[in-house]
Amino acid sequence: AQSVTQLGSHVSVSEGALVLLRCNYSSSVPPYLFWYVQYPNQGLQLLLKYTTGATLVKGINGFEAEFKKSETSFHLTKPSAHMSDAAEYFCAVSGPHSGGSNYKLTFGKGTLLTVNP
Amino acid sequence: ETGVTQTPRHLVMGMTNKKSLKCEQHLGHNAMYWYKQSAKKPLELMFVYNFKEQTENNSVPSRFSPECPNSSHLFLHLHTLQPEDSALYLCASSQRQGLGYTFGSGTRLTVV
Repeated sequence: AQSVTQLGSHVSVSEGALVLLRCNYSSSVPPYLFWYVQYPNQGLQLLLKYTTGATLVKGINGFEAEFKKSETSFHLTKPSAHMSDAAEYFCAVSGPHSGGSNYKLTFGKGTLLTVNP
Repeated sequence: ETGVTQTPRHLVMGMTNKKSLKCEQHLGHNAMYWYKQSAKKPLELMFVYNFKEQTENNSVPSRFSPECPNSSHLFLHLHTLQPEDSALYLCASSQRQGLGYTFGSGTRLTVV
């Protein structure tokens, strides 16, 4: 069974500081990995995804994530935080489901990012 | 606008009422999902439909009744709900089940 662990339910950074949101996964096969962002009273919006190929993935709003198979990690980073980055961030893993052709997407519990002025 | 439209955005209903949530997508996706998001709880997958057929029901109480008349529309019929059912209900769709979800903005449901 696949699972996702997001380390830290709440991360607080100063404006202009590095953002690092941690995600570790477990999967029996090479996974597809995703980061989503949710602003208050909104749905989830895809930030970036890893499927195959280059392990450093760039997304929207200056975010990027690196797939590290040896560490089973997919941490999300942004060099300089902006006030508008304050939101909840969800890591997700997708892998084959029940031996069929369909996949199952599993979400982490989310990390709330606060950006202080 | 994400391509997945949910209506209404906000809904207040009494415990004896019957109401329906609607989700519509014109992205050509084949799979659709209902999620429940309560305060301080993880996202809960409720139902999955793939090519209009229900493929997952995660032990959801029968007071929630989904309907998927075609690949573009998904409904969640609600009756005799409890206050603890108050939450943000999110609809999502994907081309292939389990991959590349697009979410709607959600319906904020309050049961009084």
